[in-house]
Amino acid sequence: DAGVTQSPTHLIKTRGQQVTLRCSPKSGHDTVSWYQQALGQGPQFIFQYYEEEERQRGNFPDRFSGHQFPNYSSELNVNALLLGDSALYLCASSFSNTGELFFGEGSRLTVL
Amino acid sequence: AQSVTQLDSQVPVFEEAPVELRCNYSSSVSVYLFWYVQYPNQGLQLLLKYLSGSTLVESINGFEAEFNKSQTSFHLRKPSVHISDTAEYFCAVSAPWGTYKYIFGTGTRLKVLA
Repeated sequence: DAGVTQSPTHLIKTRGQQVTLRCSPKSGHDTVSWYQQALGQGPQFIFQYYEEEERQRGNFPDRFSGHQFPNYSSELNVNALLLGDSALYLCASSFSNTGELFFGEGSRLTVL
Repeated sequence: AQSVTQLDSQVPVFEEAPVELRCNYSSSVSVYLFWYVQYPNQGLQLLLKYLSGSTLVESINGFEAEFNKSQTSFHLRKPSVHISDTAEYFCAVSAPWGTYKYIFGTGTRLKVLA
């Protein structure tokens, strides 16, 4: 049973560019959450998708957007990248009616 | 709203010694509590969880944590650590309903010394 998979694992962008990160949830899970983990910090909630809709959003600007597809996979898009967007981006999946999150290995974004 | 405080940013301990990593939370409602471990350049791995029932929860690799509602704590303990336990440990809390958004602490870096 494959767990949560994320791609790419590492990427480097320059300021002002746009990036798309991808996530495939654990088999049978219908909900995907995204977290940002800056260096030396705990993960911070970006948003959660369920039934292809954004269900809840954390304190992140509109430059951060997402999408969930009918197969429950998800994308995180960040526009107009800033140096401060450099972080590990973690995807987590779950069943909609349970509180257990399963995390992927993350996508490490470096903005130069 | 919930919040989590991990008071110790770093905890050095000698191999085979006991360790306690502290976690306190704040919430006006009941909560779910979690401990995650993160090895360098890796994602988060669930160590143990408290959802309901017994307040003492254990992991398969010797860690345990006790939910203390009166002290709003969920401290992580291990009676004898190994070099391989060196990692970052995160405590997290969520409400037991809704979107189950996790609020994480800032982490405690456990360094096991030979």
